[in-house]
Amino acid sequence: EAGVAQSPRYKIIEKRQSVAFWCNPISGHATLYWYQQILGQGPKLLIQFQNNGVVDDSQLPKDRFSAERLKGVDSTLKIQPAKLEDSAVYLCASSAGLAADNEQFFGPGTRLTVL
Amino acid sequence: ILNVEQSPQSLHVQEGDSTNFTCSFPSSNFYALHWYRWETAKSPEALFVMTLNGDEKKKGRISATLNTKEGYSYLYIKGSQPEDSATYLCAFWGSQGNLIFGKGTKLSVKP
Repeated sequence: EAGVAQSPRYKIIEKRQSVAFWCNPISGHATLYWYQQILGQGPKLLIQFQNNGVVDDSQLPKDRFSAERLKGVDSTLKIQPAKLEDSAVYLCASSAGLAADNEQFFGPGTRLTVL
Repeated sequence: ILNVEQSPQSLHVQEGDSTNFTCSFPSSNFYALHWYRWETAKSPEALFVMTLNGDEKKKGRISATLNTKEGYSYLYIKGSQPEDSATYLCAFWGSQGNLIFGKGTKLSVKP
């Protein structure tokens, strides 16, 4: 079974530039998550999708971050414009459903550096 | 604000040593506690998902216990090996409906 795929693995941009990350979840997984992990912190949930609908985006900085999952499969996360404090690892995860005991399967992450 | 605390922050042990970490979480509105292992340059990997007070789970040399009434979980590694070197994350699922992660415990095992 293929795991969660993410690209790119690394990205370096200057502040005020735009960047986009892509995620392909495990086939058949209805729930998709984007997390932000800043160095020294635990992963923080940015947005959660169930199929192509948003379940929770309360921690997404909507003035600069956007995410979509148009066909309920792949997802993209965009930052426009980037700030220095956006430097982090962006993790995508998927699970079979919304239940608390559903294991989440993570991708390798995209490490973003904003200069 | 819901808080998940992990201790210690980092740990250095010799190969063959046994070790344990602690995860503290809110004792109310508990739904599940997840443990993940994250090796450098790899994807975080689920170790255990625990839901029942008093539950104990085991996978090889790694085991975990859960006390939901007092809000803590222990992760034990018996006979640490260099390949156990990783960051171990715990995450709490409460009434908020998603995972809140601790900062992790970084384990280094020297041969």
